[in-house]
Amino acid sequence: EAGVAQSPRYKIIEKRQSVAFWCNPISGHATLYWYQQILGQGPKLLIQFQNNGVVDDSQLPKDRFSAERLKGVDSTLKIQPAKLEDSAVYLCASSFRGQGYGANVLTFGAGSRLTVL
Amino acid sequence: AQKITQTQPGMFVQEKEAVTLDCTYDTSDPSYGLFWYKQPSSGEMIFLIYQGSYDQQNATEGRYSLNFQKARKSANLVISASQLGDSAMYFCAMREGTASKLTFGTGTRLQVTL
Repeated sequence: EAGVAQSPRYKIIEKRQSVAFWCNPISGHATLYWYQQILGQGPKLLIQFQNNGVVDDSQLPKDRFSAERLKGVDSTLKIQPAKLEDSAVYLCASSFRGQGYGANVLTFGAGSRLTVL
Repeated sequence: AQKITQTQPGMFVQEKEAVTLDCTYDTSDPSYGLFWYKQPSSGEMIFLIYQGSYDQQNATEGRYSLNFQKARKSANLVISASQLGDSAMYFCAMREGTASKLTFGTGTRLQVTL
């Protein structure tokens, strides 16, 4: 099966500019996650969707970050305006609920690396 | 308090040897799951192994096994017969209760040498 697709892989912007990242999850995966991974740290959850509804956005800096998942499939994460500390890799992941070993395992995309100058 | 603690920033192991990567966790929920992911330099997080809190036996997947000690709240990853391709960052993560999101540790960088 096709994996989680993300684009762009790399983006360089200046502070105060805006940027958008796109994610297409594995077909049939109802749950989609955006994680932020700052260099040298573990991934931190920004937002979780179940179909097209938000389940958890408690760590999303809502003054500058926004995300949507229209039609319950692909998703876009936007940053506007960007700050230097937003430099990170933005990882998208998806999962399906169910029973058995493979259920509830997050499958990650390759990530989008953002550099803010 | 940190929910997931990985105290080894970096580890070295010789090829063909076994290595243990440490992970301790903190939760009050009786139902939880523990995961290990590998992140090579390419950046993608690769799922390795899963252990549920109610599982009676330690999980194994090929060369990977999880040493689950519930009373000590530890879930160490054991890699047997290390290969050069095992060089990567390794992250321990936890899911609590009915939530599906994962909380990650800070990771351990493993370097396999000849």
